[in-house]
Amino acid sequence: AQSVTQLDSHVSVSEGTPVLLRCNYSSSYSPSLFWYVQHPNKGLQLLLKYTSAATLVKGINGFEAEFKKSETSFHLTKPSAHMSDAAEYFCVVSDHGGGSQGNLIFGKGTKLSVKP
Amino acid sequence: ETGVTQSPTHLIKTRGQQVTLRCSSQSGHNTVSWYQQALGQGPQFIFQYYREEENGRGNFPPRFSGLQFPNYSSELNVNALELDDSALYLCASSLGGLAKETQYFGPGTRLLVL
Repeated sequence: AQSVTQLDSHVSVSEGTPVLLRCNYSSSYSPSLFWYVQHPNKGLQLLLKYTSAATLVKGINGFEAEFKKSETSFHLTKPSAHMSDAAEYFCVVSDHGGGSQGNLIFGKGTKLSVKP
Repeated sequence: ETGVTQSPTHLIKTRGQQVTLRCSSQSGHNTVSWYQQALGQGPQFIFQYYREEENGRGNFPPRFSGLQFPNYSSELNVNALELDDSALYLCASSLGGLAKETQYFGPGTRLLVL
């Protein structure tokens, strides 16, 4: 069965410094992996996704993630944090379930705080 | 904005009542998935509808049921509400039910059960 572990429940950075949000996954299949962001009282917005093409995936707002099969990791990074990046971030694996089922399995989330 | 809309935005019910939540999918999408997000948790998959048929279900009891209509909009029905059903309910639409398809989320319906 697929699962996702977000290694930090809370990350705090200063504005202008790099961001690293860590995610490990477990999957019996070649996984599809996503990062979503949720701002307070808002729905979920897709940042980026990996579906077995390039291992370095670029997303919106300067975020990127690298798929490392040997480490079963999909960490999210950004070179320079902005105040508007403060939000909850979810690492997500898609459950292949034999190829037809596409429900998403979410990690517990990492809350990113950005200090001025 | 994703083009996925949900109604109502907020709802208060009492234990034992029934509730219906609605979702309109993004134009061109034929698949709707529903998720429950309890406070401080990640969303949990309830079920998915693909072309009006249920296409997978998570670990939720039968009192959680759904429908998808010919225009691909969807309803989530919850009977015999319990206090633990208080949560943000999110729907997501996609083109097809495959694992690689991106799901686009609506803003959610926040349900409070008293």
